[in-house]
Amino acid sequence: ETGVTQSPTHLIKTRGQQVTLRCSSQSGHNTVSWYQQALGQGPQFIFQYYREEENGRGNFPPRFSGLQFPNYSSELNVNALELDDSALYLCASSFGLNPSLGVADTQYFGPGTRLTVL
Amino acid sequence: AQSVTQPDIHITVSEGASLELRCNYSYGATPYLFWYVQSPGQGLQLLLKYFSGDTLVQGIKGFEAEFKRSQSSFNLRKPSVHWSDAAEYFCAVGYGQNFVFGPGTRLSVLP
Repeated sequence: ETGVTQSPTHLIKTRGQQVTLRCSSQSGHNTVSWYQQALGQGPQFIFQYYREEENGRGNFPPRFSGLQFPNYSSELNVNALELDDSALYLCASSFGLNPSLGVADTQYFGPGTRLTVL
Repeated sequence: AQSVTQPDIHITVSEGASLELRCNYSYGATPYLFWYVQSPGQGLQLLLKYFSGDTLVQGIKGFEAEFKRSQSSFNLRKPSVHWSDAAEYFCAVGYGQNFVFGPGTRLSVLP
């Protein structure tokens, strides 16, 4: 058990809808990263938040957005859902000392949210 | 661009046999390397990591990995596989705020 929790476990939406996924970080961690894992593939980096600021973004469109709260929990929001958004969404927390130094802190993953878009 | 390749999509071994999962990476600087394991429908569990120092690192569940800079490899090994090791294994390279994962190797274990 990593101490990283995600909700909900499963979610079914229809195309065009909006969805919010939630993540609670491991105690003491100030950095949250979100990943999308399509079936049969490795996780793909969406973005990272460090101390409530976006700290990097992968190759995902702006309709993927996020927030990090003062208690370091986080939300992933996806607008205008598309069928290809169906995936397992993983949240990972870490303790970031200074991301600009290029140090990759060990990331601890939650169990994920399985999103199905119909 | 950074990338990770795992040449074996699926490996099947007998219980008690040895295991080696291959990982090659492309990264211009000193890499931070990780192996994670994922059981069906679950999140990723960290097996081991390499930041610096001794190139042979020990992890949980009896796994170890060896960093070979000259070959840009970070292969995962286990001397004797247990049925509970059946899962998907991901190699990752970390840099800054990003982790780049390989496509994964699915391990099946025969009784």
